[in-house]
Amino acid sequence: EPEVTQTPSHQVTQMGQEVILRCVPISNHLYFYWYRQILGQKVEFLVSFYNNEISEKSEIFDDQFSVERPDGSNFTLKIRSTKLEDSAMYFCASSESAGVSYEQYFGPGTRLTVT
Amino acid sequence: GNSVTQMEGPVTLSEEAFLTINCTYTATGYPSLFWYVQYPGEGLQLLLKATKADDKGSNKGFEATYRKETTSFHLEKGSVQVSDSAVYFCALRPSGGYQKVTFGTGTKLQVIP
Repeated sequence: EPEVTQTPSHQVTQMGQEVILRCVPISNHLYFYWYRQILGQKVEFLVSFYNNEISEKSEIFDDQFSVERPDGSNFTLKIRSTKLEDSAMYFCASSESAGVSYEQYFGPGTRLTVT
Repeated sequence: GNSVTQMEGPVTLSEEAFLTINCTYTATGYPSLFWYVQYPGEGLQLLLKATKADDKGSNKGFEATYRKETTSFHLEKGSVQVSDSAVYFCALRPSGGYQKVTFGTGTKLQVIP
């Protein structure tokens, strides 16, 4: 069964460093998402992406975050200058279309630790 | 804004026990409601969903009914198995074509033989 994959599974970085989290969505999907979960807290929506544009973003997704689909298979989340509070599990998701009947399929997550 | 509240965990049950995980929500209009499950080391998987009031979502023996009057979507299973041990997330997606899913904090379920 097709699945969303994410790399790396765990990333440790120093405060102020740039980090890129990578995702490979399901191949025929057109909508892509990033969510994050700070330890012990809720899973929070960050951004959705369609047709090479951000279609929706949350207030968390400020100027230090960016997303990109650099080729036909990868979808990346870049954090320009990491802060301690960026430590979280980051989930990538994809869906075939945007309607509620189209399930968002989630990857296993990347645990980001900022020291 | 939209929010989801679910019962604190962890919940520990013996095999074949009855499971209820409570979930209530706050949202305008008529959101769609979901339960996701996360098995150890894996991503979030959609377990079931309901898109309008009084709908019952069901899958793998789990059920949840969309109750507009009580703004609830409680997850139930009549007889849990050890393989059901996981973290369960209640979630909503607002009406109006928005893609953002709002999650609860998750409830860890441990089923012991």
